[in-house]
Amino acid sequence: AQSVTQLGSHVSVSEGALVLLRCNYSSSVPPYLFWYVQYPNQGLQLLLKYTSAATLVKGINGFEAEFKKSETSFHLTKPSAHMSDAAEYFCAVSGTSYGKLTFGQGTILTVHP
Amino acid sequence: DSGVTQTPKHLITATGQRVTLRCSPRSGDLSVYWYQQSLDQGLQFLIQYYNGEERAKGNILERFSAQQFPDLHSELNLSSLELGDSALYFCASSVRGDANGYTFGSGTRLTVV
Repeated sequence: AQSVTQLGSHVSVSEGALVLLRCNYSSSVPPYLFWYVQYPNQGLQLLLKYTSAATLVKGINGFEAEFKKSETSFHLTKPSAHMSDAAEYFCAVSGTSYGKLTFGQGTILTVHP
Repeated sequence: DSGVTQTPKHLITATGQRVTLRCSPRSGDLSVYWYQQSLDQGLQFLIQYYNGEERAKGNILERFSAQQFPDLHSELNLSSLELGDSALYFCASSVRGDANGYTFGSGTRLTVV
């Protein structure tokens, strides 16, 4: 079975500051890991994914995440926050061949001017 | 536009009623997934179809059912609706039925009154 824990349901940063959204996972098999972003009243957009290739994954909009097996973590970072980054972010894991995604509870990112 | 089309975008109905949500997958994708997003449960996997066959089942209530048709579109049927069924229902599709190539639709917002 797979599970995901996102630490912090709300994160607030200033524009230009580092963004760090935390995700820890549990999986009985080598996982696929994902970060999705959801803007208000919109669907889920894939930011980046880890599929057992490079452990440092670069995504869209300047985001990146590092897979750390020893820490079972897949934290999302961005060096400099922009106002347009304000949204809800979801970490997800898939450890099955059929592709079911198990999502974390989400982290709402607020960016202050 | 993600290529996954969900209709209707919004639906308001009364308790006890039945509704059908429709999903057209991205061209070439054989697998369809349904997810429910609610404030209390977060994003929950409901069910997956691959090339017309049910492949995996998640936390789907017995009042809910789904199918995938020969043209690969899918329908999610919700019956005997309760207030707690109010949620965003997302459809996603992928080519091979794994999580690597997911694309989400923009969702159907169901409000039960």
